Amino acid sequence: GAVVSQHPSRVICKSGTSVKIECRSLDFQATTMFWYRQFPKKSLMLMATSNEGSKATYEQGVEKDKFLINHASLTLSTLTVTSAHPEDSSFYICSASRQAITEAFFGQGTRLTVV
Amino acid sequence: AQSVTQPDIHITVSEGASLELRCNYSYGATPYLFWYVQSPGQGLQLLLKYFSGDTLVQGIKGFEAEFKRSQSSFNLRKPSVHWSDAAEYFCAVGQASSSASKIIFGSGTRLSIRP
Repeated sequence: GAVVSQHPSRVICKSGTSVKIECRSLDFQATTMFWYRQFPKKSLMLMATSNEGSKATYEQGVEKDKFLINHASLTLSTLTVTSAHPEDSSFYICSASRQAITEAFFGQGTRLTVV
Repeated sequence: AQSVTQPDIHITVSEGASLELRCNYSYGATPYLFWYVQSPGQGLQLLLKYFSGDTLVQGIKGFEAEFKRSQSSFNLRKPSVHWSDAAEYFCAVGQASSSASKIIFGSGTRLSIRP
């Protein structure tokens, strides 16, 4: 099956620093990757959609300057949380799709804690 | 815009009992529908999906779901639950477009198993 690896699984950073989260499709080429944020005991909120080689499309209310998304290759997308604050603490999950219709595979998630 | 409603926040069933988790969607065309399961602190695992064809879909771990267009529903069922089924369950609807595909999630239903 299709495998998506997300790294790191957990990260703690100081307020004001930036954190990069990687999402890799290990055995397929991901034309589209998605980034979600999940608050405790809540559902997944779609943050942005990124297509390889083009700028990410952000959902309404998501700050594009705060959450930088890069999809430089067909197997790697990164999410950088810039100038992190405690309210950015959350569970971030990526997913990757290898075709235009909806078939997405999820990473294991990254628990970000900003102290 | 598409949306997904899971009316039950938390359900408790006895081990060995049958299970039905409700899901209603709102979408203009034929939707792509999914059920995912998430264990605490983990990513999402796809249980089953419906794209077209037979409206009764079989998934992994003994789960099945039935697409009912007239009721805009895609309820998840299992004839006999096991303690290991305790988790968070998400219904999701997919939106296909020319260049990207989004998956929008319901709010989730937490399943607890009574010994």
